[in-house]
Amino acid sequence: DAKTTQPNSMESNEEEPVHLPCNHSTISGTDYIHWYRQLPSQGPEYVIHGLTSNVNNRMASLAIAEDRKSSTLILHRATLRDAAVYYCILIQGAQKLVFGQGTRLTINP
Amino acid sequence: DGGITQSPKYLFRKEGQNVTLSCEQNLNHDAMYWYRQDPGQGLRLIYYSQIVNDFQKGDIAEGYSVSREKKESFPLTVTSAQKNPTAFYLCASWGAAQETQYFGPGTRLLVL
Repeated sequence: DAKTTQPNSMESNEEEPVHLPCNHSTISGTDYIHWYRQLPSQGPEYVIHGLTSNVNNRMASLAIAEDRKSSTLILHRATLRDAAVYYCILIQGAQKLVFGQGTRLTINP
Repeated sequence: DGGITQSPKYLFRKEGQNVTLSCEQNLNHDAMYWYRQDPGQGLRLIYYSQIVNDFQKGDIAEGYSVSREKKESFPLTVTSAQKNPTAFYLCASWGAAQETQYFGPGTRLLVL
């Protein structure tokens, strides 16, 4: 299974942008890059995913490097409700997902 | 509303007892999954099923069993052979159209 590497923790301030990095140097051509986030004592929640091009949705933006070996999840204006553990995962269809430890994001008021 | 339900939210098990965690989905998804999460850790795959009447072991299947008799249901049994069952258990399904995995709210299992 292709693996991802993320920082253990990051901290930001409310109403500021947050850039969460993810390295996936062994990514294959058919791997999609997915991001999920998990609040305490809840199931993970889908955030965004992409293959090659940058993606935007109502929650976040995903910037994918040209060589696809890294990506960045961008929260444009962080709120206290964005404090969570963020997981970057590589997925090929309905297969088992391999979750790393993720990045614990703290938002300061 | 479509989604995944897990019950109960909290479950207590006595030593040597089998317990079954429920997972139901009304999303019409073929694939379903069970994960275990220990405090401060990521998710680890226990079992997954890509179609009714078929399932495969994940990375930590020992001490667990599953069945998939209906598309909507994927119950997980934690057997007495699982020596350290205290954890947060998450059920999920895969939406092929959306290309994403949907998670239930989880069941927290505690051993008395």
